[in-house]
Amino acid sequence: DVKVTQSSRYLVKRTGEKVFLECVQDMDHENMFWYRQDPGLGLRLIYFSYDVKMKEKGDIPEGYSVSREKKERFSLILESASTNQTSMYLCASSLDPPGSASPLHFGNGTRLTVT
Amino acid sequence: GQQVMQIPQYQHVQEGEDFTTYCNSSTTLSNIQWYKQRPGGHPVFLIQLVKSGEVKKQKRLTFQFGEAKKNSSLHITATQTTDVGTYFCAGPDGAGSYQLTFGKGTKLSVIP
Repeated sequence: DVKVTQSSRYLVKRTGEKVFLECVQDMDHENMFWYRQDPGLGLRLIYFSYDVKMKEKGDIPEGYSVSREKKERFSLILESASTNQTSMYLCASSLDPPGSASPLHFGNGTRLTVT
Repeated sequence: GQQVMQIPQYQHVQEGEDFTTYCNSSTTLSNIQWYKQRPGGHPVFLIQLVKSGEVKKQKRLTFQFGEAKKNSSLHITATQTTDVGTYFCAGPDGAGSYQLTFGKGTKLSVIP
């Protein structure tokens, strides 16, 4: 069974802080994704990575960056946290691209509050 | 960009009643995926449909993919309290695409 582990379930940070959200998957998946989930807006793709050191912007990359130094780990970085980045952050992985009918496996999520 | 619309946004049903959620895409999809998110949980993959007109069943759940591959539905027969949650459809931006666009989901409440 695929396991996607996010390092924190809840996180509270102050405005202007640099924030790191960590995600690890144990199934040797090529592809990893970061989504944020907000009431009324659904799930929106922030960044994805299809290989080590490769990254691509999703629909809402502004204010975020990512790092993929190892295949199993994908980090989301908030360079200078702002209150509008308060959200649920979901990491996911997949064996093949979703466009090839490969499902996403999600982690438990990190609920980030920026005060 | 691609849009995936899902209706209704909310549905309250009495236990034992049927439930249906509908998904419509602005573009033809190579496949459509369905996920379920329990309250306080994370989205969990249910099924994917690939072929035009495809119908798949999982116990009381029936999934359909439209002939034009632009719409899909999920029907639950005789709902149970364990069906509570939000159901999302999701479609890729193109064949082989990494970008999966999610509908906003249908939140199902089941009254015992």
